[in-house]
Amino acid sequence: GAGVSQSPRYKVAKRGQDVALRCDPISGHVSLFWYQQALGQGPEFLTYFQNEAQLDKSGLPSDRFFAERPEGSVSTLKIQRTQQEDSAVYLCASSPSGGVFIGYTFGSGTRLTVV
Amino acid sequence: AQRVTQPEKLLSVFKGAPVELKCNYSYSGSPELFWYVQYSRQRLQLLLRHISRESIKGFTADLNKGETSFHLKKPFAQEEDSAMYYCALSGGTSGTYKYIFGTGTRLKVLA
Repeated sequence: GAGVSQSPRYKVAKRGQDVALRCDPISGHVSLFWYQQALGQGPEFLTYFQNEAQLDKSGLPSDRFFAERPEGSVSTLKIQRTQQEDSAVYLCASSPSGGVFIGYTFGSGTRLTVV
Repeated sequence: AQRVTQPEKLLSVFKGAPVELKCNYSYSGSPELFWYVQYSRQRLQLLLRHISRESIKGFTADLNKGETSFHLKKPFAQEEDSAMYYCALSGGTSGTYKYIFGTGTRLKVLA
């Protein structure tokens, strides 16, 4: 597609509910990233995929967070048993290569509110 | 720990005035520094990177290793520069594929 597409744009979840956030990167982009942006903060790294391989998941805050990219294109970030502290904008980005030099293309984000 | 500090949450300037958005960093290794911008209702996008020594939309940023700073400057602000600006660091122990972002500075250019 023309850009990185994320869905849904907004999600309200009750505490304890499971959620799944979808990211559709630019076609052909090898690298895919997830970031979490809490209110008033900058984006914080969650995880990185190169094709279908998850090469870095060091930023995932707990084992309730799980990400996958099974066919090396679309990715899903799943959060189990959501907590209020999970409320944030979740940004997906993709890049033709693994390095940051050429920059990422970011999606519009999914705003998750846990009530 | 590697960190990016943007001390100003909000910076207001008049149109035509000079702008300087401050960014300081701490790192271990050789960092790459970047500025990202987010205009109202738009996505986060790369503005410039230090290694390219580029000027984009009249903005420049010089890496000062002695002061560990990478301030973003523009001699004459325009109303369309109003946006959220994030300084970001990559490299060193954080890896060359991911960023550490600052908390951002909102720039408001007043008519």
